[in-house]
Amino acid sequence: DSGVTQTPKHLITATGQRVTLRCSPRSGDLSVYWYQQSLDQGLQFLIQYYNGEERAKGNILERFSAQQFPDLHSELNLSSLELGDSALYFCASSDDRENEQFFGPGTRLTVL
Amino acid sequence: TQLLEQSPQFLSIQEGENLTVYCNSSSVFSSLQWYRQEPGEGPVLLVTVVTGGEVKKLKRLTFQFGDARKDSSLHITAAQPGDTGLYLCAGFPVGGSNYKLTFGKGTLLTVNP
Repeated sequence: DSGVTQTPKHLITATGQRVTLRCSPRSGDLSVYWYQQSLDQGLQFLIQYYNGEERAKGNILERFSAQQFPDLHSELNLSSLELGDSALYFCASSDDRENEQFFGPGTRLTVL
Repeated sequence: TQLLEQSPQFLSIQEGENLTVYCNSSSVFSSLQWYRQEPGEGPVLLVTVVTGGEVKKLKRLTFQFGDARKDSSLHITAAQPGDTGLYLCAGFPVGGSNYKLTFGKGTLLTVNP
């Protein structure tokens, strides 16, 4: 158990819909990272937040957005969903040193 | 284009065999990390290598960072079924962001009893 929790574990929805994925980091970790994992692209960095502020952005689509709240939990919002958005979405957290990221168990999103 | 290329993509071996998997790039990395991911779970960090030529051992696993810091290898001695999983290398390319961890696509290892 990494100490990072993600909900829900599975999500099935339809094209065009909007979903919110939630992540609670390890106690004391200020950084939260979001990744997308698919068979063809592998694990891709989406975005990082540090203590409530966006710190780094990867290949995140404009239809996707994230935020980190004062209690340090984070949400990833995916809108206008397409079939190709079906993937595993992982959240990770790290402390100030940011040498090691601890990954949550992921949310499996299926868009039908 | 994948910045980190891992090979082989799939590997199926018998218990007790030795194996090596590779992580290669044309870019220089400040450090490289190896993760193992089991089905239904997130990746778990195994090791970080920082210095060119560095060798680190973790029980039956030996990790090496290339002299030029462009490649790395993972060698497993006497593989066991518990070693089954997806092995991912990841790192921060020199000159890139210190916050965007780049992953390879991984090697899916199956160790048969």
